[in-house]
Amino acid sequence: GEQVEQRPPHLSVREGDSAVITCTYTDPNSYYFFWYKQEPGASLQLLMKVFSSTEINEGQGFTVLLNKKDKRLSLNLTAAHPGDSAAYFCAVSEDTGNYKYVFGAGTRLKVIA
Amino acid sequence: DTTVKQNPRYKLARVGKPVNLICSQTMNHDTMYWYQKKPNQAPKLLLFYYDKILNREADTFEKFQSSRPNNSFCSLYIGSAGLEYSAMYLCASSRKGTGGFNQDTQYFGPGTRLLVL
Repeated sequence: GEQVEQRPPHLSVREGDSAVITCTYTDPNSYYFFWYKQEPGASLQLLMKVFSSTEINEGQGFTVLLNKKDKRLSLNLTAAHPGDSAAYFCAVSEDTGNYKYVFGAGTRLKVIA
Repeated sequence: DTTVKQNPRYKLARVGKPVNLICSQTMNHDTMYWYQKKPNQAPKLLLFYYDKILNREADTFEKFQSSRPNNSFCSLYIGSAGLEYSAMYLCASSRKGTGGFNQDTQYFGPGTRLLVL
């Protein structure tokens, strides 16, 4: 079955620096990709969902890149601020309507002011 | 409102005793999920209900039960808790996608932290 590896498990950056989190997956049939953010004590909140057909997706202060050839998904926080400090999780799903996500183990990001 | 609620937020259980966790959503989502999350590990899907149909993962089939008495509520039941059940339990819900998009976004609750002693 699908396996998702997320790196790094912990990341510490200074305010204003960029932060990059990467997930690699194994199933070539993976079609939907999600990034979630979880602040302490709170729910996982969706940051962005991307489709297999779109390689670059921009959000508020971050970019999601999808490389289907290398089976790699990345989240790039362009100018991190302390409010970005949280756990980030990627999730991958097939286009079969089976409703299942496979998650990465998460990255704990700390942004130092 | 995209809120998924879970009760209780914290649960202390004794080894060998049953545990029942509750999840609710008011978004009229057709699918509800239960995940188990341990520190430094990925959330692991335990089971999900699509409408009234329960789907349990093969490797956790005998360890967890669930019921969905109506569209809004879903429970997770552990018949006899063991130490290895100590974890965060996350509930999520989604609806079947439209417009050719089969997989819609899963919305998560805040979790129930279960500690088995």
